[in-house]
Formats: sequence, C-alpha cells, structure tokens
Amino acid sequence: DTGVSQDPRHKITKRGQNVTFRCDPISEHNRLYWYRQTLGQGPEFLTYFQNEAQLEKSRLLSDRFSAERPKGSFSTLEIQRTEQGDSAMYLCASSPPTSGVYEQYFGPGTRLTVT
Amino acid sequence: GENVEQHPSTLSVQEGDSAVIKCTYSDSASNYFPWYKQELGKRPQLIIDIRSNVGEKKDQRIAVTLNKTAKHFSLHITETQPEDSAVYFCAATRGYSTLTFGKGTMLLVSP
Repeated sequence: DTGVSQDPRHKITKRGQNVTFRCDPISEHNRLYWYRQTLGQGPEFLTYFQNEAQLEKSRLLSDRFSAERPKGSFSTLEIQRTEQGDSAMYLCASSPPTSGVYEQYFGPGTRLTVT
Repeated sequence: GENVEQHPSTLSVQEGDSAVIKCTYSDSASNYFPWYKQELGKRPQLIIDIRSNVGEKKDQRIAVTLNKTAKHFSLHITETQPEDSAVYFCAATRGYSTLTFGKGTMLLVSP
C-alpha cells in the first residue's frame, strides 16, 4: 500500500497520560497535514508542514499539542496530559509538491479514546 | 477565516435516483473546492474537485458545479447505487492555506 499510513490505528489512554501518533506520507509528498475529526463533524485543521518546516498551526492546537517532522518525511503528533475532550480521530494527509495544498490524500486515522 | 456550510445533513434516495449536496463558503478568495467521500470507519477519499476558473466538472456519474458570484458549489451524483452510501464532505481553500471542511452529508441509497 503506497498511501498515507498512520500508527497506531487505535489508542486508549487514561486522562493525564501522554500519547504520540505517527504519520508516514505518500513518498515524495512534501506537504503533510494533521486534522482532528469528531463524530458527526468534518475534519478540522490542526497544523501543516512543508518539508520539515511547520508553516501553520490552528488555534485548536493548544500548548499540550506538539507536532514534528524532523527530516521532512514522517511526522509525529504528541498530546501531553490528555483530556477527555481530546478523544477524536486524528487524521493525517499529504499532498505532492506540484499541487500546493490542493489534492490532499488522507491516511486511515488514529482513533484516540481518553478514559 | 473561511466558513463552509453544507446541506442537507442527511439525504435518503432510492437506487437510480439523483442526489445533490450543496455547500456555501464565506471567503471570496477561495479558489479550490474538493469533495471527499468517507465510508464508515475509513479514510476520507478525494472523489472530485473544482478550481475557481471552472464552472462545472464531470467524472462519470459525479459532477460538481461552482457559482463564484453566489459563493456556492454543489455535488451531483446520478444513477445512485447502494455503494454510494457514505458521508460526503465539501471543503474550500484559498490555496496557500489549508482546507476548511463542511460538516458532512450522510447519503443513504436504498436498493
């Protein structure tokens, strides 16, 4: 499968714990995006990278959230001191250098449940 | 920032009927409007998109129309089939910022 991959697919954690998710974009896609999706809603933008540079962050991304893309390939999203309100599907997407922020291709997501 | 409204929230049709989903956007500078299909438990998949220099685009049974003056765009699915059942999301962007999504439309196609 040469699509966007995410790991883990499911994560259950207790409130207050830290969690980290990984996203591997499609090969040679230089832009990578993180979104959050809750039940009955469309994806909400969190942050995006062009190569290793983090170019934009949403106000949704509180100081408990941090994202990295150290070598311009895979990315990690960390949530510190998780809260029940963080329970959601975390989606990663990537787009090729020829299309800007257009044509975003999504991964299968990581479903986070905070108990 | 951009705001995208999507209607209806649910749509039930009989197999073979047409389905239309409508979206409005607020930012007149938006220039790219994709549609995604998300089946239960699966990733959103890009099914069709349109740029602001085009009024209509077709791909087999699906088509998208754009009215820049009114700031709305629509997804049209003809000859619906049960496998078209899914949640459909519209989105909009200026092109140098990321996508703003609507809340989705659950399409149910009954055999």
